[in-house]
Amino acid sequence: SQQGEEDPQALSIQEGENATMNCSYKTSINNLQWYRQNSGRGLVHLILIRSNEREKHSGRLRVTLDTSKKSSSLLITASRAADTASYFCATDENSGNTPLVFGKGTRLSVIA
Amino acid sequence: EAQVTQNPRYLITVTGKKLTVTCSQNMNHEYMSWYRQDPGLGLRQIYYSMNVEVTDKGDVPEGYKVSRKEKRNFPLILESPSPNQTSLYFCASSFYRASEQYFGPGTRLTVT
Repeated sequence: SQQGEEDPQALSIQEGENATMNCSYKTSINNLQWYRQNSGRGLVHLILIRSNEREKHSGRLRVTLDTSKKSSSLLITASRAADTASYFCATDENSGNTPLVFGKGTRLSVIA
Repeated sequence: EAQVTQNPRYLITVTGKKLTVTCSQNMNHEYMSWYRQDPGLGLRQIYYSMNVEVTDKGDVPEGYKVSRKEKRNFPLILESPSPNQTSLYFCASSFYRASEQYFGPGTRLTVT
Protein backbone atom coordinates (compact mmCIF):
# COMPACT_ATOMS: atom_id res chain seq x y z
CA SER A 1 0.00 0.00 0.00
CA GLN A 2 1.20 3.50 -0.72
CA GLN A 3 2.34 5.82 2.03
CA GLY A 4 1.89 9.51 2.46
CA GLU A 5 5.24 11.24 2.39
CA GLU A 6 5.78 14.04 4.88
CA ASP A 7 8.19 16.84 4.14
CA PRO A 8 10.43 17.94 5.71
CA GLN A 9 11.60 14.96 7.75
CA ALA A 10 12.67 17.31 10.54
CA LEU A 11 11.98 20.96 11.32
CA SER A 12 13.41 23.19 14.01
CA ILE A 13 11.91 26.60 14.77
CA GLN A 14 11.81 29.22 17.50
CA GLU A 15 8.85 29.56 19.81
CA GLY A 16 6.31 31.95 18.34
CA GLU A 17 7.14 31.13 14.73
CA ASN A 18 4.82 29.25 12.40
CA ALA A 19 5.54 25.65 11.42
CA THR A 20 4.49 24.21 8.09
CA MET A 21 4.76 20.57 7.14
CA ASN A 22 3.57 18.88 3.99
CA CYS A 23 2.18 15.52 2.99
CA SER A 24 2.06 14.10 -0.52
CA TYR A 25 0.30 10.94 -1.62
CA LYS A 26 -0.12 8.96 -4.80
CA THR A 27 -3.71 7.81 -5.27
CA SER A 28 -7.20 9.27 -4.90
CA ILE A 29 -8.36 9.55 -1.33
CA ASN A 30 -11.60 9.88 0.65
CA ASN A 31 -10.01 11.78 3.49
CA LEU A 32 -6.66 12.74 4.96
CA GLN A 33 -5.90 12.95 8.66
CA TRP A 34 -3.12 14.48 10.71
CA TYR A 35 -1.84 13.02 13.97
CA ARG A 36 0.67 14.13 16.59
CA GLN A 37 2.98 11.85 18.55
CA ASN A 38 4.92 12.97 21.58
CA SER A 39 8.10 10.98 22.04
CA GLY A 40 7.36 7.27 22.44
CA ARG A 41 3.67 7.81 23.13
CA GLY A 42 0.49 6.96 21.26
CA LEU A 43 -0.61 9.06 18.31
CA VAL A 44 -3.28 11.68 18.91
CA HIS A 45 -5.73 12.67 16.20
CA LEU A 46 -5.57 16.35 15.25
CA ILE A 47 -7.81 16.94 12.28
CA LEU A 48 -9.55 15.17 9.40
CA ILE A 49 -10.14 16.79 6.03
CA ARG A 50 -12.36 15.21 3.42
CA SER A 51 -11.55 15.09 -0.28
CA ASN A 52 -14.22 17.69 -1.08
CA GLU A 53 -12.81 20.17 1.45
CA ARG A 54 -9.95 22.57 0.74
CA GLU A 55 -9.19 24.00 4.15
CA LYS A 56 -9.96 23.31 7.80
CA HIS A 57 -9.07 25.06 11.03
CA SER A 58 -8.82 23.87 14.60
CA GLY A 59 -7.42 26.32 17.10
CA ARG A 60 -3.85 27.12 15.99
CA LEU A 61 -3.94 24.42 13.33
CA ARG A 62 -4.76 25.01 9.70
CA VAL A 63 -4.89 22.16 7.21
CA THR A 64 -5.18 22.52 3.46
CA LEU A 65 -5.82 19.85 0.88
CA ASP A 66 -5.09 20.08 -2.83
CA THR A 67 -6.41 16.94 -4.49
CA SER A 68 -5.15 18.03 -7.92
CA LYS A 69 -1.60 18.02 -6.57
CA LYS A 70 -2.28 15.13 -4.19
CA SER A 71 -0.87 17.08 -1.28
CA SER A 72 -1.83 18.50 2.08
CA SER A 73 -0.18 20.91 4.45
CA LEU A 74 -0.42 21.37 8.20
CA LEU A 75 0.30 24.84 9.56
CA ILE A 76 0.81 25.40 13.27
CA THR A 77 0.70 29.10 14.09
CA ALA A 78 2.47 30.79 17.01
CA SER A 79 4.23 27.58 17.95
CA ARG A 80 5.01 26.66 21.55
CA ALA A 81 7.59 24.37 23.10
CA ALA A 82 4.74 21.96 23.86
CA ASP A 83 4.19 21.54 20.10
CA THR A 84 7.48 19.65 19.92
CA ALA A 85 6.44 16.25 18.56
CA SER A 86 6.30 14.15 15.42
CA TYR A 87 3.44 14.81 13.03
CA PHE A 88 2.00 12.18 10.71
CA CYS A 89 -0.45 12.29 7.87
CA ALA A 90 -2.70 9.31 7.18
CA THR A 91 -4.63 8.75 4.00
CA ASP A 92 -7.84 6.86 3.37
CA GLU A 93 -7.37 5.54 -0.16
CA ASN A 94 -10.37 5.63 -2.44
CA SER A 95 -10.00 1.97 -3.39
CA GLY A 96 -12.23 -0.14 -1.19
CA ASN A 97 -11.62 -1.33 2.33
CA THR A 98 -7.91 -0.60 2.62
CA PRO A 99 -6.76 0.57 6.06
CA LEU A 100 -5.48 4.06 6.73
CA VAL A 101 -1.91 4.45 5.51
CA PHE A 102 0.46 6.49 7.66
CA GLY A 103 3.49 8.40 6.47
CA LYS A 104 6.85 8.39 8.24
CA GLY A 105 6.29 11.72 9.93
CA THR A 106 7.87 15.13 10.38
CA ARG A 107 9.82 15.67 13.56
CA LEU A 108 9.13 19.22 14.84
CA SER A 109 11.32 20.84 17.47
CA VAL A 110 10.18 24.16 18.93
CA ILE A 111 12.95 25.92 20.80
CA ALA A 112 12.00 28.19 23.68
CA GLU B 1 -12.85 8.28 30.25
CA ALA B 2 -12.70 7.11 26.65
CA GLN B 3 -9.47 5.23 26.16
CA VAL B 4 -7.49 2.40 24.66
CA THR B 5 -5.40 0.45 27.13
CA GLN B 6 -2.50 -1.86 26.41
CA ASN B 7 -0.63 -4.22 28.67
CA PRO B 8 2.15 -4.62 29.36
CA ARG B 9 3.72 -1.23 28.60
CA TYR B 10 7.24 -2.67 28.62
CA LEU B 11 8.34 -6.22 28.03
CA ILE B 12 11.72 -7.86 27.69
CA THR B 13 11.61 -11.49 26.66
CA VAL B 14 13.70 -14.19 25.03
CA THR B 15 13.49 -15.70 21.59
CA GLY B 16 10.76 -18.32 21.27
CA LYS B 17 8.84 -17.58 24.44
CA LYS B 18 5.18 -17.02 23.55
CA LEU B 19 3.69 -13.73 24.64
CA THR B 20 0.43 -11.83 24.42
CA VAL B 21 -0.07 -8.09 24.43
CA THR B 22 -3.58 -7.15 25.44
CA CYS B 23 -5.60 -4.27 24.04
CA SER B 24 -8.94 -3.04 25.27
CA GLN B 25 -11.17 -0.10 24.32
CA ASN B 26 -14.22 1.28 26.09
CA MET B 27 -15.74 3.28 23.24
CA ASN B 28 -17.76 0.50 21.57
CA HIS B 29 -15.63 0.85 18.45
CA GLU B 30 -16.04 -1.72 15.72
CA TYR B 31 -12.63 -1.26 14.11
CA MET B 32 -9.40 -2.17 15.89
CA SER B 33 -5.85 -2.57 14.63
CA TRP B 34 -2.28 -3.22 15.65
CA TYR B 35 0.74 -1.27 14.41
CA ARG B 36 4.44 -1.50 14.94
CA GLN B 37 6.67 1.53 14.81
CA ASP B 38 10.34 1.28 13.94
CA PRO B 39 12.88 4.08 13.36
CA GLY B 40 12.97 5.10 9.72
CA LEU B 41 10.07 2.84 8.80
CA GLY B 42 7.20 4.76 10.32
CA LEU B 43 3.98 3.12 11.43
CA ARG B 44 3.13 -0.20 9.80
CA GLN B 45 -0.09 -2.08 10.28
CA ILE B 46 0.13 -5.69 11.46
CA TYR B 47 -3.49 -6.83 11.65
CA TYR B 48 -6.88 -5.22 11.79
CA SER B 49 -10.41 -6.22 12.70
CA MET B 50 -13.61 -4.73 11.33
CA ASN B 51 -15.81 -6.42 13.93
CA VAL B 52 -16.09 -9.39 16.25
CA GLU B 53 -14.65 -12.55 14.67
CA VAL B 54 -13.52 -10.56 11.59
CA THR B 55 -9.77 -10.07 11.29
CA ASP B 56 -7.44 -9.48 8.37
CA LYS B 57 -3.76 -9.04 7.64
CA GLY B 58 -2.14 -5.66 7.39
CA ASP B 59 1.21 -4.88 5.83
CA VAL B 60 3.47 -6.91 8.15
CA PRO B 61 1.51 -9.85 9.62
CA GLU B 62 4.27 -12.49 9.60
CA GLY B 63 5.00 -13.84 13.07
CA TYR B 64 1.85 -12.42 14.65
CA LYS B 65 -1.64 -13.64 15.45
CA VAL B 66 -4.73 -11.83 16.67
CA SER B 67 -8.21 -12.67 17.81
CA ARG B 68 -11.42 -10.69 18.24
CA LYS B 69 -13.80 -12.68 20.40
CA GLU B 70 -15.30 -9.61 22.07
CA LYS B 71 -15.83 -6.16 20.67
CA ARG B 72 -13.70 -4.41 23.27
CA ASN B 73 -10.61 -6.67 23.19
CA PHE B 74 -8.05 -7.31 20.47
CA PRO B 75 -4.98 -9.16 21.77
CA LEU B 76 -1.77 -9.49 19.78
CA ILE B 77 -0.05 -12.86 20.07
CA LEU B 78 3.55 -13.64 19.26
CA GLU B 79 3.78 -17.43 19.23
CA SER B 80 7.56 -17.57 18.86
CA PRO B 81 9.07 -14.09 19.17
CA SER B 82 12.30 -13.29 17.37
CA PRO B 83 14.72 -10.35 17.76
CA ASN B 84 13.37 -8.70 14.58
CA GLN B 85 10.08 -8.24 16.42
CA THR B 86 11.73 -5.86 18.84
CA SER B 87 9.66 -2.74 18.33
CA LEU B 88 7.16 -0.26 19.72
CA TYR B 89 3.63 -1.60 19.31
CA PHE B 90 0.40 0.37 19.24
CA CYS B 91 -3.18 -0.73 19.37
CA ALA B 92 -5.80 1.61 17.88
CA SER B 93 -9.57 1.67 17.60
CA SER B 94 -12.17 3.68 15.72
CA PHE B 95 -15.86 3.64 14.86
CA TYR B 96 -15.10 2.54 11.34
CA ARG B 97 -12.11 1.86 9.13
CA ALA B 98 -11.21 5.40 8.08
CA SER B 99 -12.53 7.51 10.95
CA GLU B 100 -10.50 9.10 13.72
CA GLN B 101 -8.18 6.54 15.27
CA TYR B 102 -7.70 6.36 19.04
CA PHE B 103 -4.31 4.98 19.97
CA GLY B 104 -3.18 3.15 23.07
CA PRO B 105 -0.07 4.27 24.97
CA GLY B 106 2.19 1.73 23.32
CA THR B 107 4.07 -1.42 24.33
CA ARG B 108 7.83 -1.43 24.01
CA LEU B 109 8.92 -4.99 23.31
CA THR B 110 12.49 -6.23 23.35
CA VAL B 111 13.26 -9.77 22.23
CA THR B 112 16.77 -11.02 23.05
